[in-house]
Amino acid sequence: DAGVTQSPTHLIKTRGQQVTLRCSPISGHKSVSWYQQVLGQGPQFIFQYYEKEERGRGNFPDRFSARQFPNYSSELNVNALLLGDSALYLCASSLGQAETYEQYFGPGTRLTVT
Amino acid sequence: DAKTTQPNSMESNEEEPVHLPCNHSTISGTDYIHWYRQLPSQGPEYVIHGLTSNVNNRMASLAIAEDRKSSTLILHRATLRDAAVYYCILRRGTSGSRLTFGEGTQLTVNP
Repeated sequence: DAGVTQSPTHLIKTRGQQVTLRCSPISGHKSVSWYQQVLGQGPQFIFQYYEKEERGRGNFPDRFSARQFPNYSSELNVNALLLGDSALYLCASSLGQAETYEQYFGPGTRLTVT
Repeated sequence: DAKTTQPNSMESNEEEPVHLPCNHSTISGTDYIHWYRQLPSQGPEYVIHGLTSNVNNRMASLAIAEDRKSSTLILHRATLRDAAVYYCILRRGTSGSRLTFGEGTQLTVNP
């Protein structure tokens, strides 16, 4: 089975622009989470979606938004990009929300804001 | 979420066992202890998790202290491929799928 896939792999944007990142979870997984990883730090939680509803939100500004589609794929949108948004954006999927479920991460999308 | 404390870095030799410690003195009774690792240029990957008893799987073993205030991830025979950042994470049911990553331990494996 394919793992978690993310697109695009790399992206370069200019300050003030908007970006959409995409994630396809492992087949059968209904929970998708998004993380931001700045160089040299651990990933920081942005959003979690389960059964197409937002179930958790991290400490990120309203410029960040996400949604989950009926096929459980997900998009992360970031508006009015800042230089500080440059990071690796990771998507993770799991069967459900329980604390015993493993999270499977994709390879990430590297976003560079200039 | 309860906080975990790990050494910034550790070093090991290939084919030797590695013990990666984690302190979590404020752990609650329902917190599961999870370990993930992140190889260079990859997303994190699940290693192991446990609640109270020691756990073994094909990748590693998890030893949990009796008072649950600390745990140790054990790699029985380190390989060069085990060089990664290892994260110790506490998860509870109210947090859903959220993982709270700290700085982790950078493991270097010498040939």
